[in-house]
Amino acid sequence: QVQLVQSGAEVKKPGASVKVSCKVSGYTLTELSMHWVRLAPGKGLEWMGGFDPEDGETIYAQKFQGRVTMTEDTSTDTAYMELSSLRSEDTAVYYCASEVGGSYSPFDYWGQGTLVTVSS
Amino acid sequence: DIQMTQSPSAMSASVGDRVTITCRASQGISNYLAWFQQKPGKVPKRLIYATSSLQSGVPSRFSGSGSGTEYTLTISSLQPEDFATYYCLQHNSYPRTFGQGTKVEIK
Repeated sequence: QVQLVQSGAEVKKPGASVKVSCKVSGYTLTELSMHWVRLAPGKGLEWMGGFDPEDGETIYAQKFQGRVTMTEDTSTDTAYMELSSLRSEDTAVYYCASEVGGSYSPFDYWGQGTLVTVSS
Repeated sequence: DIQMTQSPSAMSASVGDRVTITCRASQGISNYLAWFQQKPGKVPKRLIYATSSLQSGVPSRFSGSGSGTEYTLTISSLQPEDFATYYCLQHNSYPRTFGQGTKVEIK
């Protein structure tokens, strides 16, 4: 059983950056693929990016290209998502979601979510 | 990118009703279609993946079907705990794309 525990809520000013962490237990980070999804107020779920094990690369949604960086620390089994140049529209709950069974079994486990509020 | 068009965007239904939600992909996705349920303030929950594989622990009143570009989530008899927002997700290719969501409300 995979457990994903995310870091706490953040409040940031426009133009700042935020880095959200996602600690994995039950599996090691190398045994799964990590993705990030967000839910903004009044909007739907939005995939931001994730690791493609077939190519061995992290793929980012075009909307976030240049502003988002997803990294992993395998020594601590922690994944990170950093979003820069924040604007009010980035106010959202950010989730990490793992895939243990590859692309056939998407987003089988989720973190509890991290609320990021962007406000001046 | 594959676009997912989900319908309806919202619906009102009564307990016991049969509910059907549809997702249409802009191109074939080889049955790589999943469904998620999300309640306010809660984490999304996967119901179905690969079109029709039921997630362990999910009640059998939920089922999925489809092929090619058209996919359906059916709730055979709506229960009070099923009032939520439902999303489809294509997991055939990158970027992954969700449908816009269907909010199922109490009539």
